[in-house]
Amino acid sequence: QKEVEQNSGPLSVPEGAIASLNCTYSDRGSQSFFWYRQYSGKSPELIMFIYSNGDKEDGRFTAQLNKASQYVSLLIRDSQPSDSATYLCAVTGGFRDGGATNKLIFGTGTLLAVQP
Amino acid sequence: DTGVSQDPRHKITKRGQNVTFRCDPISEHNRLYWYRQTLGQGPEFLTYFQNEAQLEKSRLLSDRFSAERPKGSFSTLEIQRTEQGDSAMYLCASSPGPGIGQPQHFGDGTRLSIL
Repeated sequence: QKEVEQNSGPLSVPEGAIASLNCTYSDRGSQSFFWYRQYSGKSPELIMFIYSNGDKEDGRFTAQLNKASQYVSLLIRDSQPSDSATYLCAVTGGFRDGGATNKLIFGTGTLLAVQP
Repeated sequence: DTGVSQDPRHKITKRGQNVTFRCDPISEHNRLYWYRQTLGQGPEFLTYFQNEAQLEKSRLLSDRFSAERPKGSFSTLEIQRTEQGDSAMYLCASSPGPGIGQPQHFGDGTRLSIL
């Protein structure tokens, strides 16, 4: 079992729709959860982070965390063609890691394509 | 706040050569991380520093790799006797410190190509 799993996609949504990106993680002790956006050939750019159960909203983005289900999601409302990118889910090391390093463990990313 | 800076942006070298990359973190960020990313994969943790102390090194990292952060500011990552499999994007990130929710901000990366 991979530590962080994401559907590789591509996830295709029409412009203006809601894009829903999902991520599961295996280490129940993980404490912080991040979403990064990565355009082709570029480095990851931080979009959202969350560490408490529930929802966190920032503009068109909403991150959702359910620690009991070990599940994190990112919703993008009113999707725009400029949102087309790979979205990386990352979690900090938990029990297996001793919880001290805050090193990020990434999934392989979901490719989002927003169709004009 | 000028962001995380990495140099060079691209490096092409022949197999067997040594290469060194530099990372300048966001000022006053205590933690500095190195990751490696290959095509179609997420970044993979290599090592990290708290100030000048290297506190963890990935078990996946061979002894051809070494990193330093001599004065707790910039860091260098050196790869000796490069191999084809070292071709990747090398990413540096920094964060203010430990603790829950401390975000890591990435530089633009150094793309290494081994001929």
